[in-house]
Amino acid sequence: AQSVAQPEDQVNVAEGNPLTVKCTYSVSGNPYLFWYVQYPNRGLQFLLKYITGDNLVKGSYGFEAEFNKSQTSFHLKKPSALVSDSALYFCAVRVGNSGGYQKVTFGTGTKLQVIP
Amino acid sequence: DGGITQSPKYLFRKEGQNVTLSCEQNLNHDAMYWYRQDPGQGLRLIYYSQIVNDFQKGDIAEGYSVSREKKESFPLTVTSAQKNPTAFYLCASSSDHQVSEAFFGQGTRLTVV
Repeated sequence: AQSVAQPEDQVNVAEGNPLTVKCTYSVSGNPYLFWYVQYPNRGLQFLLKYITGDNLVKGSYGFEAEFNKSQTSFHLKKPSALVSDSALYFCAVRVGNSGGYQKVTFGTGTKLQVIP
Repeated sequence: DGGITQSPKYLFRKEGQNVTLSCEQNLNHDAMYWYRQDPGQGLRLIYYSQIVNDFQKGDIAEGYSVSREKKESFPLTVTSAQKNPTAFYLCASSSDHQVSEAFFGQGTRLTVV
């Protein structure tokens, strides 16, 4: 069975400071990893993904994430937080390089609060 | 504009009634999904469809039904058999490839009154 853990329900960071939202995963096989952001009463928006290649992935709105195979982590980062980054962030994983439909498993979400 | 549209945004249902949530996409995606979102539980998969006229149960399909008669449309019916239907429902689509990210609709908030 595959799983995703987002160990922090909420992360608070001051505007202008770097932010990190943590994600660890467990899959049998190669992971395909995704980050999404959700604003209140809205759907999820795709931020970035890791499929293969460079462990540092850059995405939308200045976000990036680093794939660490040994630690089975895929933490989301941004060098300088904006108040507008305040939202709910979801990490997701699916097994790659496999035939047929492969389920996507989402984490429980981390609420990011950027303090002015 | 290409996208995925859910309607209505808010829906109120009396206990014992069936209700249908609409989901339409013009992205030419083969795969479509329905998720339920409850606070602190992330997204849970209700049903998914990889191709027209075919769909599969997800993790929490009991009390729900779907159809996929057209590529663009994947409506979800919440039946009276669903014991706790009050939730935020999200529809998504993706191209039928493992590396593809999902595109989500804006969601429908269903409240049972």
